[in-house]
Amino acid sequence: GQSLEQPSEVTAVEGAIVQINCTYQTSGFYGLSWYQQHDGGAPTFLSYNALDGLEETGRFSSFLSRSDSYGYLLLQELQMKDSASYFCAYRGKLIFGQGTELSVKP
Amino acid sequence: NAGVTQTPKFRILKIGQSMTLQCTQDMNHNYMYWYRQDPGMGLKLIYYSVGAGITDKGEVPNGYNVSRSTTEDFPLRLELAAPSQTSVYFCASGPSGEQYFGPGTRLTVT
Repeated sequence: GQSLEQPSEVTAVEGAIVQINCTYQTSGFYGLSWYQQHDGGAPTFLSYNALDGLEETGRFSSFLSRSDSYGYLLLQELQMKDSASYFCAYRGKLIFGQGTELSVKP
Repeated sequence: NAGVTQTPKFRILKIGQSMTLQCTQDMNHNYMYWYRQDPGMGLKLIYYSVGAGITDKGEVPNGYNVSRSTTEDFPLRLELAAPSQTSVYFCASGPSGEQYFGPGTRLTVT
C-alpha cells in the first residue's frame, strides 16, 4: 500500500527552528509536497521536492531523500502565526499524511 | 484573480437528500480535485480531473459523482446523503505537486 507518516504534534518556542518529518511508503514516487492549514481554513501550498536535496523558500525549507523514503519541512525563526497543521502529500497518488499540529509558544 | 471559489460555505442536509457542491477556478488549470477532510485528519481524494471531459476516481469516490464540462468548473454531486458524508469538502486546482485550494464547504448530514 501507499502511506505517509508524520508526527501528530510538535511544540516549539517563538524564534526557534523546528523540523517536521514525513516518511512514506509507495511503489512509485513522483515528489513530495508540503501544505500549511490554519484551523478551519484552506490548505496553502508551501513547498515541493521532486528530487533529493533542499528547497528553500524564505523561512521554510523542505528536504527529500528518496533512498530513505523520507522528507522534512524545516521552519526557521518561528512566529506565533506559524501555529497550524502541516501536511506532507505524495504527488503521484494524491495522498496526504494525517498532518502535524505545530504549536508555537511565546 | 479570485483563485478557487466554492459554494456554499455551509450546508445542512437531511439523510437521503442530494446536493451539488460548486467549484470554479480562474487560473486556467487543467487539473482539478475534490477532497474531503474529517476532523483531525488529512485530506482524502474523492475525484479528480485532468481536463474538460475527463474525470477519474480517487481514494473515496463512493456516494459522489463529478462532471467537468469546462476548464473552470468542477461540481461535486452527492446523491442520497448519509451521515458518513458529514465533512469539510475542499476543491483544488493546479499541478498535482502544487495545488491551490478553495475555502471549503462544511457539510452536515443529519
